[in-house]
Amino acid sequence: GNSVTQMEGPVTLSEEAFLTINCTYTATGYPSLFWYVQYPGEGLQLLLKATKADDKGSNKGFEATYRKETTSFHLEKGSVQVSDSAVYFCALNTGGFKTIFGAGTRLFVKA
Amino acid sequence: DGGITQSPKYLFRKEGQNVTLSCEQNLNHDAMYWYRQDPGQGLRLIYYSQIVNDFQKGDIAEGYSVSREKKESFPLTVTSAQKNPTAFYLCASMEQGMPSNQPQHFGDGTRLSIL
Repeated sequence: GNSVTQMEGPVTLSEEAFLTINCTYTATGYPSLFWYVQYPGEGLQLLLKATKADDKGSNKGFEATYRKETTSFHLEKGSVQVSDSAVYFCALNTGGFKTIFGAGTRLFVKA
Repeated sequence: DGGITQSPKYLFRKEGQNVTLSCEQNLNHDAMYWYRQDPGQGLRLIYYSQIVNDFQKGDIAEGYSVSREKKESFPLTVTSAQKNPTAFYLCASMEQGMPSNQPQHFGDGTRLSIL
């Protein structure tokens, strides 16, 4: 079946460090891929998305490229800030009404 | 601004009591969802609805019930049959048409605790 696997957290970085959160997926067909962010005590917000192979989604300095050959959608940011501390979820949708979410990766950024 | 409103933000349940969580959206979305989130864990789908007066069980529907009498509203009832209801509950909606590339929009959640 369809699934999403994310790197386990927590990930702890110092401010201005480079961030990578790995995400790989298993899916039939050609899914759309998403990254969501959840700040403490809030719901999830869409961070970025990509709908076909080689697409790059980007927002607020975050980027992720849809790699069909490696079935991956890794999240990157060149210089993290304390305000980026949150839980990040990778997700996919294969065309139905259900979205498959990864388990989430918690990021702590220290000043 | 369009969005999803969940209420209350915090809710307490006594043993043997049913409680209802409210979810209202003004995004004109057809599809709505309820998820449960436990500490340090991902989202688990409880119920979803693609259209008014229709809904389907998700992965963990036991002990929960829903209704979809209006497009804007999708309340979730946590019944006394749910033995471990303490969790963070998230409601979401999604635009119909091209569901594969549409994101889900989330409310800010309701935190349910047992007294």
